[in-house]
Amino acid sequence: NAGVTQTPKFRVLKTGQSMTLLCAQDMNHEYMYWYRQDPGMGLRLIHYSVGEGTTAKGEVPDGYNVSRLKKQNFLLGLESAAPSQTSVYFCASSYAFYEQYFGPGTRLTVT
Amino acid sequence: TQLLEQSPQFLSIQEGENLTVYCNSSSVFSSLQWYRQEPGEGPVLLVTVVTGGEVKKLKRLTFQFGDARKDSSLHITAAQPGDTGLYLCAGGDNAGNMLTFGGGTRLMVKP
Repeated sequence: NAGVTQTPKFRVLKTGQSMTLLCAQDMNHEYMYWYRQDPGMGLRLIHYSVGEGTTAKGEVPDGYNVSRLKKQNFLLGLESAAPSQTSVYFCASSYAFYEQYFGPGTRLTVT
Repeated sequence: TQLLEQSPQFLSIQEGENLTVYCNSSSVFSSLQWYRQEPGEGPVLLVTVVTGGEVKKLKRLTFQFGDARKDSSLHITAAQPGDTGLYLCAGGDNAGNMLTFGGGTRLMVKP
């Protein structure tokens, strides 16, 4: 099993450009999450999903959109990238709430 | 918004020393998780505690959940270089959907 995979691993965007980050899990988990990690701030939840076709806002949702069309995939979109969105993005999934499995991360730089 | 504060932020010790990392909040959490993250990778779950006063041991690591479920501690006995990493605590909300992460403690164990 691959677990949780994220595509791409690195990306550089110019201000105003758009992009989509893909998260895929092969563990048949219901819950999926998108976090961003900034130095000294731990992980902050952007959006999450409790099942196929459902999404909900987390702590820092502004500037991001998500979709969960298939159970195994969770997409994170940036419509108009800003330098403040420079960060490392992690996707996670879980069967039950208590244990989240994380992907390796996507390092995004917005210039 | 629930907040979790971790202390210390940085810790550099010699191999064989003991250490304690603290995770504190003014909010009550339904559960408390500890993760370890190595450079370039996603966090990996170490333990989940759900009952006030609960103590769990994982080899040389001892985790404790405060009686009021507002704080937690991680104690490492006889630290080894392999313990080096970023330690994150995360509290679960009562709805069972979201985790709030602390800012992390970066531990370096020197041989």
